[in-house]
Amino acid sequence: SQKIEQNSEALNIQEGKTATLTCNYTNYSPAYLQWYRQDPGRGPVFLLLIRENEKEKRKERLKVTFDTTLKQSLFHITASQPADSATYLCALDGPLNDMRFGAGTRLTVKP
Amino acid sequence: SQTIHQWPATLVQPVGSPLSLECTVEGTSNPNLYWYRQAAGRGLQLLFYSVGIGQISSEVPQNLSASRPQDRQFILSSKKLLLSDSGFYLCAWSHTGINQPQHFGDGTRLSIL
Repeated sequence: SQKIEQNSEALNIQEGKTATLTCNYTNYSPAYLQWYRQDPGRGPVFLLLIRENEKEKRKERLKVTFDTTLKQSLFHITASQPADSATYLCALDGPLNDMRFGAGTRLTVKP
Repeated sequence: SQTIHQWPATLVQPVGSPLSLECTVEGTSNPNLYWYRQAAGRGLQLLFYSVGIGQISSEVPQNLSASRPQDRQFILSSKKLLLSDSGFYLCAWSHTGINQPQHFGDGTRLSIL
């Protein structure tokens, strides 16, 4: 069956460290993968998109990698800050060109 | 710039009552529109999407329905709510075409009593 798994429900790190979140997928062949941030009680906000022919994408303190062999995307936040605390969702294109979301990882950055 | 409005923010309804949630988009034309439900600790479940006025595709059979009476208006409805309809409902829009990011409203927290 098709699955999108984000490494853990929750991740706690110390301010200043790099947060690494994982998105693994099974039985999909996505052409692209997106990452979103969601704050409590709010809708997700788009952060980054990476295509299958791109190995890495950066935006300020964010970096995303996409390994189609491992069927995995990694999302890094460098020099993390308490304001980065949120739930991060990965999403990829499904077989009907619809978007499928993972359940998310809740990141807490402690001062 | 584009904005998306979704209301109400919270709603408490008795079992068996009707439902109408509204979503409107400003600043763009002919957007793709989506309704999702998000359960605690789970991913977003796509309920309906629309590529144009009057064109609705349903992903999950249930007692909910959607309509798009105008280009930038998307409505989620039910004639009789069930307890299992409780959840966080999100409306989103995107430009047409593949690889397009989706832009979400702030959601409606629906509680069924």
